[in-house]
Amino acid sequence: NAGVTQTPKFRVLKTGQSMTLLCAQDMNHEYMYWYRQDPGMGLRLIHYSVGEGTTAKGEVPDGYNVSRLKKQNFLLGLESAAPSQTSVYFCASRPTGPNEKLFFGSGTQLSVL
Amino acid sequence: GQNIDQPTEMTATEGAIVQINCTYQTSGFNGLFWYQQHAGEAPTFLSYNVLDGLEEKGRFSSFLSRSKGYSYLLLKELQMKDSASYLCAVNDNQGGKLIFGQGTELSVKP
Repeated sequence: NAGVTQTPKFRVLKTGQSMTLLCAQDMNHEYMYWYRQDPGMGLRLIHYSVGEGTTAKGEVPDGYNVSRLKKQNFLLGLESAAPSQTSVYFCASRPTGPNEKLFFGSGTQLSVL
Repeated sequence: GQNIDQPTEMTATEGAIVQINCTYQTSGFNGLFWYQQHAGEAPTFLSYNVLDGLEEKGRFSSFLSRSKGYSYLLLKELQMKDSASYLCAVNDNQGGKLIFGQGTELSVKP
């Protein structure tokens, strides 16, 4: 099993460009998440999904859009990238149940110039 | 609103014991996690508490007091490899929403 796979691992964008980060999991998990991590800020929840076809806003959703058309994939889109979106992005998934731990991808380092 | 607070940094000596605190104020509560994150890596699961009390797992223990909105992670017999960031995260009972604190950077010195 591959677990949670994020692509790409690194990306440099110019201000105003758009891009999509892909998260794929092969564990049949219902819940999927996108977090961003900045120095000293911990993990901040951008958007999450509790099942195929559903999405919900997290703590810092502005400037991002998401889609969960297939259960195994959770896409994070930046329509018009800004330097403030320079960050490390982590995707995670977990089964339903409050005691279920997160399975993380390896992260995407995004720089917006 | 939601607020999860942890100390930003802590330093401890190899072989010692350290306690990392986490206080939370969330709209709902359905359990609290602790994760460990080494630099440049993804977080890894350490513990989960949903009932009051202490859960022990080897050198690591985690405590929860729901009435006080308080948890701590206790690390015993510290080793150099324990130098990492420690994150607490709260299950909001809004179906799957999981919020993290800012993390505590622990440095273990010889």
